[in-house]
Amino acid sequence: GAVVSQHPSRVICKSGTSVKIECRSLDFQATTMFWYRQFPKQSLMLMATSNEGSKATYEQGVEKDKFLINHASLTLSTLTVTSAHPEDSSFYICSAGSGGTHTDTQYFGPGTRLTVL
Amino acid sequence: AQSVAQPEDQVNVAEGNPLTVKCTYSVSGNPYLFWYVQYPNRGLQFLLKYITGDNLVKGSYGFEAEFNKSQTSFHLKKPSALVSDSALYFCAVRGYNFNKFYFGSGTKLNVKP
Repeated sequence: GAVVSQHPSRVICKSGTSVKIECRSLDFQATTMFWYRQFPKQSLMLMATSNEGSKATYEQGVEKDKFLINHASLTLSTLTVTSAHPEDSSFYICSAGSGGTHTDTQYFGPGTRLTVL
Repeated sequence: AQSVAQPEDQVNVAEGNPLTVKCTYSVSGNPYLFWYVQYPNRGLQFLLKYITGDNLVKGSYGFEAEFNKSQTSFHLKKPSALVSDSALYFCAVRGYNFNKFYFGSGTKLNVKP
């Protein structure tokens, strides 16, 4: 299957700093990528849909100024957690699909564990 | 509205026995159903999907799932469980707005030697 990578895999930062997480589709192009947040022992919560060359679409309740998404190319989307606080600590996962249709399989990155002190 | 339910938080099975992880769905229009597995501190790995065609779908690592339209179910099965199958399993449905996946709450599978 297709490969999606995330970097970094783990990050620890101080409260008030910003953290950037990268999501790359390694062997395919993705016009759309998705960002999820997962709390311990819980399911994935969709945060936003990242669209190449246009603004991201955020889910209700997700602060767009807090979680900045940039999808600058067909293989790269970034999520920046601005002015991070301890409550932002979580496991962030991205996904991408190669087909662009509703039957498309989504392939997930390995996730980024963010810890805000 | 689209939704997925996984009624069991945890399933325990002995190695070598068959396993079933349950999933029911609610969706407008045709359902596109997926199963993913997640190991600790890892992303989700694709197991299989149902789009159309045969109700029995075969996937990775010996897993299969049966689509049952009348019962709106898509249960994951494996004839003989392995200890290495122990993980968190998610059922997902892709809705009418095909850009979104709706995930179930997850089922933790424990396979004991």
